[in-house]
Amino acid sequence: SYELTQPPSVSVSPGQTASITCSGDKLGEKYACWYQQKPGQSPVLVIYQDSRRPSGIPERFSGSNSGNTATLTISGTQAMDEADYYCQAWDSSTGVVFGGGTKLTVL
Amino acid sequence: QVQLVQSETEVKKPGASVKVSCKASGYTFTSYGISWVRQAPGQGLEWMGRISTYNGNTNYAQKFQGRVTMTTDTSTTTAYMELRSLRSDDTAVFYCARDPSGSSWYHDFWGQGTLVTVSS
Repeated sequence: SYELTQPPSVSVSPGQTASITCSGDKLGEKYACWYQQKPGQSPVLVIYQDSRRPSGIPERFSGSNSGNTATLTISGTQAMDEADYYCQAWDSSTGVVFGGGTKLTVL
Repeated sequence: QVQLVQSETEVKKPGASVKVSCKASGYTFTSYGISWVRQAPGQGLEWMGRISTYNGNTNYAQKFQGRVTMTTDTSTTTAYMELRSLRSDDTAVFYCARDPSGSSWYHDFWGQGTLVTVSS
């Protein structure tokens, strides 16, 4: 079955750039998306189709996907961005696949 | 505005079944698929399957094959997910999520989640 791997945690200082990676076999040949989830809340889509931002998502969120790695980048990270982030892709054999999630700490 | 409103918390005994509902509003129900996603306490997101609200076709994750059934009622714009033979490790929050791509490439709106606790 297809798998996506994320680092368990990433730390960033306020105002700096945070990068969260998501790795999977030939992931660049699939569409990747990213969700933000804060404690006690439902996931929120922040990036879809590799690099597109839904309406209402700040411009500081951006995405890329190439080779075996998709990356979520948060520029000028704010305290409100502290959350769990999940990548997701679709595989023809497995269906929808989520990464294990990355806890972003802003300190 | 798009809303997915799910049914309330459930407490079930091992071996029982649970049926969670997801009432959609603010968009044309049959134009978007619905996926169901599970999240155990303190754990990540786990896809259970999806249903086409247009024709009722389903795709279930292998892990849940034979134990889950997803249905829709277009007259009430409601999607349902039934999970049978519940075990304690099925304790989780269950989410419905809208699939605009038709291929589950991404999910743009999510329900508020339904906590299902399985305990004797």
